[in-house]
This record gives sequence, structure tokens and C-alpha cells, in this order.
Amino acid sequence: EVQLVESGGGLVQPGGSLRLSCAASGFTFSSYWMHWVRQAPGKGLVWVSRINSDGSSTSYADSVKGRFTISRDNAKNTLYLQMNSLRAEDTAVYYCAGGIGIVASFDYWGQGTLVTVSS
Amino acid sequence: EIVMTQSPATLSVSPGERATLSCRASQSVSSNLAWYQQKPGQAPRLLIYGASTRATGIPARFSGSGSGTEFTLTISSLQSEDFAVYYCQQYNNWPLYTFGQGTKLEIK
Repeated sequence: EVQLVESGGGLVQPGGSLRLSCAASGFTFSSYWMHWVRQAPGKGLVWVSRINSDGSSTSYADSVKGRFTISRDNAKNTLYLQMNSLRAEDTAVYYCAGGIGIVASFDYWGQGTLVTVSS
Repeated sequence: EIVMTQSPATLSVSPGERATLSCRASQSVSSNLAWYQQKPGQAPRLLIYGASTRATGIPARFSGSGSGTEFTLTISSLQSEDFAVYYCQQYNNWPLYTFGQGTKLEIK
């Protein structure tokens, strides 16, 4: 059974940092391009970042560029998102998702982890 | 950036009837279009990829069509479990994988 399990969310003050993790199982993690997608309360889905299968290439939405860093450890089947300089508008449920290749839908999704940025 | 526009924002349909959801891209995305279903408190689930191919385990009552800039998701006979929010997503113009704003399918 395919599983993606996010962790690391919580309450953080503006300007603070958090590191999200996404543990994968049930599929060949090292073959998949992985993404982070977020959803603000009551809003739609927004793509945040992606990393290629071996971790050598990354991309970011303009709204998080320079503040967020995506990475992966294929030996541990784990995806990460380091979030720095957090803002109130970063408050959202963060989902990890995976797809085969760069031009591919997101086949697998985790259950999400909530990040709340507030003083 | 490609903008994905879904219509209508809310669709009210009775169980057993057909539902037709639309998605328009601001420029061509070829057939690199996916549909996702999201129920309250749950993660999105892939329904359709390549504009018209059902994902594994998706019932045949779900079908997708279109290419270029105009796409449609049709649910042929609505079941109670189909009432949810549906998102389209283009993955042609990577790395900006843009989603539509969603269509809420509600019980009439």
C-alpha cells in the first residue's frame, strides 16, 4: 500500500522556521519526482515546490523562493521542506505528493500537515 | 504562468444525474491535464490524467475529455460519495504546476 506521511507542522511565530518531513512507503520513492502543495484554510490547492528523482534539480513558486528549501533522502525514503522567514500567509495545510517524471500528474498524496504562522 | 479557470464554482446536482465540470487554460496545455477529487478533511485524490485516462481504481462513471485549452470532467450517474470539490491541474508548463480554483459539487 502506498503511503505518504507528513509531519513537522505546528504553530510558529512570524519570522520563524519549520521543517516538514514526508515519509514514503509502498512505492519506489527514488523514481518519483516529489512536490509540496499547500492549501490555506477554505482555499484551493497551490503548488509550492518540486524536486526531481535524484535530488539534483529543484523549483519553487515565486511566493516561497528564497525562503523555502526542498530536499530528499532516497536512502530514507523521505522528502523535506525547510521553511524559513515564515509569514502569516504561509498558514496552510501542506501536502507532499509524487508523480513519475517532470510532465506528470500527482499520483500519490499524503494526508497533510497544518502549519500555522501567528503571534 | 498558465491560469486555470474552472466553472461553475458550485454545481448542484441530484444523485443519479449527470454532472459536467469545465476547466479552461489560458494557453494550450496539450493533454497534460489532471483532475483531482477532494473531500472535506481529506487529501486530494487523482481521478484523471492525460486529460482522459482514469487513474487506478477510479470508477468508469468518471470520464475526462478535451485538449489544448478546454477540458471537461463528466460524472455519468452521481453517487453519494461523489459530492466533493474537484480541481483541474495543468502539468504542461512545468515547473509551474497550476491548479484551478475548484468546483464544489453539492447535492441538489
